[in-house]
Amino acid sequence: GQNIDQPTEMTATEGAIVQINCTYQTSGFNGLFWYQQHAGEAPTFLSYNVLDGLEEKGRFSSFLSRSKGYSYLLLKELQMKDSASYLCAVRGDNAGNMLTFGGGTRLMVKP
Amino acid sequence: DTAVSQTPKYLVTQMGNDKSIKCEQNLGHDTMYWYKQDSKKFLKIMFSYNNKELIINETVPNRFSPKSPDKAHLNLHINSLELGDSAVYFCASSQYDGTGGLAEAFFGQGTRLTVV
Repeated sequence: GQNIDQPTEMTATEGAIVQINCTYQTSGFNGLFWYQQHAGEAPTFLSYNVLDGLEEKGRFSSFLSRSKGYSYLLLKELQMKDSASYLCAVRGDNAGNMLTFGGGTRLMVKP
Repeated sequence: DTAVSQTPKYLVTQMGNDKSIKCEQNLGHDTMYWYKQDSKKFLKIMFSYNNKELIINETVPNRFSPKSPDKAHLNLHINSLELGDSAVYFCASSQYDGTGGLAEAFFGQGTRLTVV
């Protein structure tokens, strides 16, 4: 099975940098995804890591260490619109390669 | 054009009723899913279909029956609704990438089901 942990809530200031951590323990691993979900809306894809290292996409970066079962999402130059939940999801290597989601981290950006 | 669309967006119904949620994707993806997001915001996989065939059926009561008439549609029918079924249900789709795994999933806007 999959066990995915991430902090429940975080608060940060507009213009700052925030790092959201995710640890996982899985019976199979075939990639890690980060999604953003605003209240009342659908999750939208942010980033994907399957190899160790850092993937950068504009203000957002994601890091993966498979040996440590650890990932983080880094958000730079925070904007008010970044207030949302951030979901870490692990793709398994079983039939269907399904995504298992963590509980999400609710990020509040303050002026 | 909406990539993954599901209807209705809101559904309020009484216990014991039977209801359906429809989902369609115009992305040409082979794989579609139903997820349930409860009040604690956990997104849990319910079903996964690939080319109209059931791949995954997690521990979901058999009151929930998915139907895929073609690979662009995956509907969810729920019989004898219970209070605990109240949640947001998300349809999603994805496609196999070059590594043999599934690329990112695209989600519909969700259906907020309230059972009273």
